[in-house]
Amino acid sequence: GEDVEQSLFLSVREGDSSVINCTYTDSSSTYLYWYKQEPGAGLQLLTYIFSNMDMKQDQRLTVLLNKKDKHLSLRIADTQTGDSAIYFCAESYSGYSTLTFGKGTMLLVSP
Amino acid sequence: GAVVSQHPSRVICKSGTSVKIECRSLDFQATTMFWYRQFPKKSLMLMATSNEGSKATYEQGVEKDKFLINHASLTLSTLTVTSAHPEDSSFYICSASPEDNQPQHFGDGTRLSIL
Repeated sequence: GEDVEQSLFLSVREGDSSVINCTYTDSSSTYLYWYKQEPGAGLQLLTYIFSNMDMKQDQRLTVLLNKKDKHLSLRIADTQTGDSAIYFCAESYSGYSTLTFGKGTMLLVSP
Repeated sequence: GAVVSQHPSRVICKSGTSVKIECRSLDFQATTMFWYRQFPKKSLMLMATSNEGSKATYEQGVEKDKFLINHASLTLSTLTVTSAHPEDSSFYICSASPEDNQPQHFGDGTRLSIL
């Protein structure tokens, strides 16, 4: 079945870059997403990438996709304490189809 | 654009009570909405797919009679937790997408606590 794996925890210092990694198994995935969840809140869509793209950059966020290895990464440049949250990697076939989530990576940014 | 709103954000009630949670798409129509449940420090578990004008599709292991879903309009889906018990306490989140070629957006979630 479909599976999405990501590391559970990452700790960085403020100002450093953070890289959160994710692997998935479903080769038919068309959309690959990164969501951010702060304590007690819902999920905020950070960015997403289509499977026919290699890279997408949006301000401090860079998403890299290696489709051959089914590997997705999220790089946050100049990480701030406000970036501390849980980051979920997810994949789906379309906007109307169900999402398969990873277990989430807790990012802790220390001053 | 693509805002999904959930209400209420938090509910605390006694065991045996039924609780209704609303999920609204504010600036788009959603023929399909999804309901997820999230346990503490866990990922999201898909409970059901809500389809406007037809019955919801439930995931394996989710009790249909316990978690009633109604999608009566193109902008509103409701999840009713019937005769709630402490084990139903959880964080419930809904999502929807404005178009098939656009990503899903999530509501802010509802924290349900059953005493």
